[in-house]
Amino acid sequence: GQQVMQIPQYQHVQEGEDFTTYCNSSTTLSNIQWYKQRPGGHPVFLIQLVKSGEVKKQKRLTFQFGEAKKNSSLHITATQTTDVGTYFCAGPGTGNQFYFGTGTSLTVIP
Amino acid sequence: ETGVTQTPRHLVMGMTNKKSLKCEQHLGHNAMYWYKQSAKKPLELMFVYSLEERVENNSVPSRFSPECPNSSHLFLHLHTLQPEDSALYLCASSQDLAGGLLSGTQYFGPGTRLTVL
Repeated sequence: GQQVMQIPQYQHVQEGEDFTTYCNSSTTLSNIQWYKQRPGGHPVFLIQLVKSGEVKKQKRLTFQFGEAKKNSSLHITATQTTDVGTYFCAGPGTGNQFYFGTGTSLTVIP
Repeated sequence: ETGVTQTPRHLVMGMTNKKSLKCEQHLGHNAMYWYKQSAKKPLELMFVYSLEERVENNSVPSRFSPECPNSSHLFLHLHTLQPEDSALYLCASSQDLAGGLLSGTQYFGPGTRLTVL
């Protein structure tokens, strides 16, 4: 079946360092979404990318959708302690399927 | 805070119990979902409802029974669960299923932490 993998699984960074998580799908995606889940919380929608090669920015966060629409990345510049959480990519499959990635857990050390 | 509420927030039940999880969305959305989030596993989509009609059932065991009486409410009825069913159960909603594909932005509730003894 369709798989959506993310690397790394865990990332520890010093506050102020940059962070990147990579998302790879086994199949082409019509769009890709990113969610953030704080410890003890629930996933919160961050952004959706639709076009091949699309790049979107939200303050210190930069999201990119690959040309083949099978991969994506999230880059955070100058991490802050408020960035702590698990970042998931997600995208639709066939029919009404929807797949979440394995997630990257970010720890920011003050 | 997201417009999706879930009750109870925590539930402990024995394997012979019957319980129900409730989800309510105040966003006027037409689609609702149940997800299971286990430790060290990706979120797993369980059921999808669109306009109160079930449109996806991801091979979920029959001990999980969903019910969608109207577009604002979604239930997950539980009976004779197994310890491996212990997980965080998340409800979500979206405006609709765009073009028949699940691609709309989803808003999640806080989840129900379920422990099966």
